[in-house]
Amino acid sequence: SAVISQKPSRDICQRGTSLTIQCQVDSQVTMMFWYRQQPGQSLTLIATANQGSEATYESGFVIDKFPISRPNLTFSTLTVSNMSPEDSSIYLCSVDEDRAQETQYFGPGTRLLVL
Amino acid sequence: QKEVEQNSGPLSVPEGAIASLNCTYSDRGSQSFFWYRQYSGKSPELIMSIYSNGDKEDGRFTAQLNKASQYVSLLIRDSQPSDSATYLCAVKGSSASKIIFGSGTRLSIRP
Repeated sequence: SAVISQKPSRDICQRGTSLTIQCQVDSQVTMMFWYRQQPGQSLTLIATANQGSEATYESGFVIDKFPISRPNLTFSTLTVSNMSPEDSSIYLCSVDEDRAQETQYFGPGTRLLVL
Repeated sequence: QKEVEQNSGPLSVPEGAIASLNCTYSDRGSQSFFWYRQYSGKSPELIMSIYSNGDKEDGRFTAQLNKASQYVSLLIRDSQPSDSATYLCAVKGSSASKIIFGSGTRLSIRP
């Protein structure tokens, strides 16, 4: 399967600031996704990162709060803007590597704590 | 009704026994079903996928799918302490490319 890396692996931020998370894949993939996993909870899809066009956001998530870039088929960024303690979470990048089987693989995650 | 439902557990199983994890889903048109394992502090790891009714075996793991009952399960034979983790059921719906995750079942294998 594809090797997925994320930067940073963890961060502690002050409220009101913004953090950009990077996701890099070692091969070209069609679909990239961003998830959030709050403490003790399951995964919630934030958005699908589309190459060359705007991301597709899920209900409850907006571009102003979570701007996403996807400049090519191997890279994407997620920014968490104007952070509050409620944004403390693990943010996970995921790729759909095998279109025929439609399986998703996850990066190692970014652990964010907002004070 | 949640789209993908799992018993949160914890499910405690003695070492060497069979662990049975269950999941139901609401979208009758769903075609793709997955089980992920997530260790504490780690990201989810895909362990099984199943697309057709019946059983699919991979080593100690067996996934079972019953589309008529909208039910998917995961059996872990000869459970080991290293199997202790949260198991996430995931379903790809009929109308979108996204995968919906259940809330996960916490499995504990006791020596």
